[in-house]
Amino acid sequence: RKEVEQDPGPFNVPEGATVAFNCTYSNSASQSFFWYRQDCRKEPKLLMSVYSSGNEDGRFTAQLNRASQYISLLIRDSKLSDSATYLCVVIAYNTDKLIFGTGTRLQVFP
Amino acid sequence: EPEVTQTPSHQVTQMGQEVILRCVPISNHLYFYWYRQILGQKVEFLVSFYNNEISEKSEIFDDQFSVERPDGSNFTLKIRSTKLEDSAMYFCASRETGAGTGELFFGEGSRLTVL
Repeated sequence: RKEVEQDPGPFNVPEGATVAFNCTYSNSASQSFFWYRQDCRKEPKLLMSVYSSGNEDGRFTAQLNRASQYISLLIRDSKLSDSATYLCVVIAYNTDKLIFGTGTRLQVFP
Repeated sequence: EPEVTQTPSHQVTQMGQEVILRCVPISNHLYFYWYRQILGQKVEFLVSFYNNEISEKSEIFDDQFSVERPDGSNFTLKIRSTKLEDSAMYFCASRETGAGTGELFFGEGSRLTVL
């Protein structure tokens, strides 16, 4: 089983749509969770951290379910500029390395 | 906005040659990393570095790889004898605080092509 698993997509959605991505992780000892964004051939950039209570940043909402080892990202009112690959990232307990999923590609069209 | 800078942006080399990739992390950051991404694949951890020593490394980071912080600003990744499968984008990253607490800032990457 992959350490961090994501649906690769692509998700093709119109502007203004709401889209949700899911991610599962295999290590129950994982301690920190993030969503990163990666534009084509660019470096990953932190989008948001994910907390157990769920958190929101503008149009973006992240949820964590530790019991199911499941992380989600919801994007509301999609913009053309949201087109990118969204990377689910996990840090296991007592380690400093980020473990990346393969990413979910989002394409927002006019 | 402070940023992590990497050089070269692209390097082409022959198999068996030594390559050094250079990085200048953000100045007040204490934790440094190298990651790599083979085209079309996920980003993979190589090594973390803190207090002038390696704190963690992956299986990928074998004896052919080494890292160094030769002065107060540079952080380098050396591949002693490159193989075809070393072709990838190599990202340097830095963080101000410890694991899981601070944002990891990535450089724009150095694309290595081994022929």
